[in-house]
Amino acid sequence: AQKITQTQPGMFVQEKEAVTLDCTYDTSDPSYGLFWYKQPSSGEMIFLIYQGSYDQQNATEGRYSLNFQKARKSANLVISASQLGDSAMYFCAMSLGVYNQGGKLIFGQGTELSVKP
Amino acid sequence: DGGITQSPKYLFRKEGQNVTLSCEQNLNHDAMYWYRQDPGQGLRLIYYSQIVNDFQKGDIAEGYSVSREKKESFPLTVTSAQKNPTAFYLCASSNDGVGSNQPQHFGDGTRLSIL
Repeated sequence: AQKITQTQPGMFVQEKEAVTLDCTYDTSDPSYGLFWYKQPSSGEMIFLIYQGSYDQQNATEGRYSLNFQKARKSANLVISASQLGDSAMYFCAMSLGVYNQGGKLIFGQGTELSVKP
Repeated sequence: DGGITQSPKYLFRKEGQNVTLSCEQNLNHDAMYWYRQDPGQGLRLIYYSQIVNDFQKGDIAEGYSVSREKKESFPLTVTSAQKNPTAFYLCASSNDGVGSNQPQHFGDGTRLSIL
């Protein structure tokens, strides 16, 4: 069964330091996509970064990078130089690439990140 | 600006009442989705639609219904059959529902509570 696991319910990081949020996934489908979203306390979901299962290089978007280890089925999010505004819930999600999946996303339980000044 | 608009922001339901949550997008996206989020949890898929006049059940469709009469609109009705409707409801859309690399864009959500 397809599943996303985020094992860190909560994380603390000092401002300006880097932090890694863990995500492992399980699927037998060879084609899939991995996403990270940020959810501030206001509730909206903000897309951060995407990694495709066939991508050779790790994705990067500004201060966000995705440490993709396909053999371990992990897709950890690395946030460099943390800012106070990074405090939020972070969700890892997986979409399945075959045509009958309709682009559905499967979400993990989330990790609450708190950035300390 | 292009985006997804959900209304209302807060909604209260009486016992035995059906309520409808609105979701409108002006991104010209083909695919639209409804998710439910319970406190401290991830999102679970209720229904999704890849094209006008067609939709499929997600993982937790019981007690909900949808329609997709227009490309830009995907309303969700929470029926009286849904015994535990209190949750945060998020609508999303994406450019290509059949692909795996298109990020879904989300609205700001509707918080539904039981009176």
